[in-house]
Amino acid sequence: QKEVEQDPGPLSVPEGAIVSLNCTYSNSAFQYFMWYRQYSRKGPELLMYTYSSGNKEDGRFTAQVDKSSKYISLFIRDSQPSDSATYLCAMSVYNTDKLIFGTGTRLQVFP
Amino acid sequence: EAGVAQSPRYKIIEKRQSVAFWCNPISGHATLYWYQQILGQGPKLLIQFQNNGVVDDSQLPKDRFSAERLKGVDSTLKIQPAKLEDSAVYLCASSFKRELHEQFFGPGTRLTVL
Repeated sequence: QKEVEQDPGPLSVPEGAIVSLNCTYSNSAFQYFMWYRQYSRKGPELLMYTYSSGNKEDGRFTAQVDKSSKYISLFIRDSQPSDSATYLCAMSVYNTDKLIFGTGTRLQVFP
Repeated sequence: EAGVAQSPRYKIIEKRQSVAFWCNPISGHATLYWYQQILGQGPKLLIQFQNNGVVDDSQLPKDRFSAERLKGVDSTLKIQPAKLEDSAVYLCASSFKRELHEQFFGPGTRLTVL
């Protein structure tokens, strides 16, 4: 079993839709949770970073962490064609910066 | 602020040849990471430097991969000899402080081994 599981998609939605991206993990020692966005032929860029359980909002993006279920989510409101990319979840244990990535979910938002 | 620079962007070689990748991190970033991203997978850490010392190289195939970070700034990653399964994107990332958990990635070098 992989430490971090993520549905690879692809996920195709119309512009304006609410998108839900998810990851599950098996290592209860993970304390830091991140979402990266990766455009084609580019490096990943950090979107959201959370430490505790609960929600964190930044503009159209909301990151949600449920440590009891070992489940994290990224919600994108009012999705735009420019949101079309691969979204990677990543996590690390307390007191280290070694990131374990999911496989990424490819999202396509069509006009 | 300039981002993480990598070169070359693309490289095609035949198996058993050698190849080297170069990375210039963001100025002032003490920590440097090399990741391997195989098509359809997330990045996997190969090696991590703090200044010019190695912090973690547990997933680096040391029989064929080597990396160095002279003077705590630029870094090179070398593969010798290359295998077909080394075809991947090699990403370099840097961070100002490890405790911040924020890594900035370069555009990567796409390696194809024929």
